Amino acid sequence: ILNVEQSPQSLHVQEGDSTNFTCSFPSSNFYALHWYRWETAKSPEALFVMTLNGDEKKKGRISATLNTKEGYSYLYIKGSQPEDSATYLCASRRDRDDKIIFGKGTRLHILP
Amino acid sequence: DSGVTQTPKHLITATGQRVTLRCSPRSGDLSVYWYQQSLDQGLQFLIQYYNGEERAKGNILERFSAQQFPDLHSELNLSSLELGDSALYFCASSVGKGYEQYFGPGTRLTVT
Repeated sequence: ILNVEQSPQSLHVQEGDSTNFTCSFPSSNFYALHWYRWETAKSPEALFVMTLNGDEKKKGRISATLNTKEGYSYLYIKGSQPEDSATYLCASRRDRDDKIIFGKGTRLHILP
Repeated sequence: DSGVTQTPKHLITATGQRVTLRCSPRSGDLSVYWYQQSLDQGLQFLIQYYNGEERAKGNILERFSAQQFPDLHSELNLSSLELGDSALYFCASSVGKGYEQYFGPGTRLTVT
């Protein structure tokens, strides 16, 4: 794939439930994969940067994994809370030309 | 507050005009990135500077140019503005390639 694809586009999750979503990116010339959390009317907030195949990162209830050979990353949220409602963006950076390509995001809605 | 500042917050101008957007990175960050977010598209990477030098180029139009000054602040110049240039322009900074990027609050440009 040449683009960064995120799925699903939108997700509704009951408060307290856990969830996960996917980012697919070009595996050739891979350099880094970024995850961001973007709340409405705010700026994107960095969650993770991952560079090595098999990387796993965790920040509180949110964690992410990286598979550079097959070109995908998963973001997991454990025990969803209302404040987790946001758009989650991933961005891939290639080594060859350093371009940064964003996915269109997964819009997460937490239902009370 | 990410520590990245952008001015102005809002800008309204007419087609054909030229504007300059300004960004001050977080203290200690050497890299500055510019992004564009328009209504019909996701976040688009425009250009990156590292310690005063251009490092990577994305989908930046020829009518747009940027530079990073010795004090590390950066300016994005947009000329011969068209209606389609109306967008939210973000600046982000990081220590370097492969590190977390911290986004500023953005400048909303409206071209009438």
